[in-house]
Amino acid sequence: RKEVEQDPGPFNVPEGATVAFNCTYSNSASQSFFWYRQDCRKEPKLLMSVYSSGNEDGRFTAQLNRASQYISLLIRDSKLSDSATYLCVVNREYGNKLVFGAGTILRVKS
Amino acid sequence: DAGVIQSPRHEVTEMGQEVTLRCKLISGHNSLFWYRQTMMRGLELLIYFNNNVPIDDSGMPEDRFSAKMPNASFSTLKIQPSEPRDSAVYFCASTRGGNQPQHFGDGTRLSIL
Repeated sequence: RKEVEQDPGPFNVPEGATVAFNCTYSNSASQSFFWYRQDCRKEPKLLMSVYSSGNEDGRFTAQLNRASQYISLLIRDSKLSDSATYLCVVNREYGNKLVFGAGTILRVKS
Repeated sequence: DAGVIQSPRHEVTEMGQEVTLRCKLISGHNSLFWYRQTMMRGLELLIYFNNNVPIDDSGMPEDRFSAKMPNASFSTLKIQPSEPRDSAVYFCASTRGGNQPQHFGDGTRLSIL
């Protein structure tokens, strides 16, 4: 079993749609959680950190469920520019080493 | 503020040649990570340093790969001799440490012919 698992997609949605991605992780000692975004032929970029209480940044909402060991990302009012691969990222234990999921592909179409 | 700076952006070379990839950390960051990304294997951590000290090199594929951090702001990743299966995008990332997120450079696209 992979340490971080994501549905690879692709998710094909129309502009304005709401879309949600889930991610599961296997290490119950994980402390930090992030969503990164990666555009084609570009580097991964931090989208948002994920906090235990859940957090929102504009159209993006992240949730963490420690009991079930899953993380979610909700994107409201999808834009064409949201098309990218979304990477779920977890640290193994306290410290710097991050584990990246394989990513979920989102395609927003007009 | 300058981000993580990698060079070269692209490298095409013949198998057997030595390849050196370079990375400059963000000022104030003390941890550095080298990753490799391919379609088949995704993003893999090769090695990381804290305060110039290599902490975990378990991801380094073979002895042909070596990484150094001669000072607090700079690192190199060398492949010698290079092989076609080393072709990938190599990313460098840095962080302030602890549970902080990592910030990536633009990557080096390496093609070994």
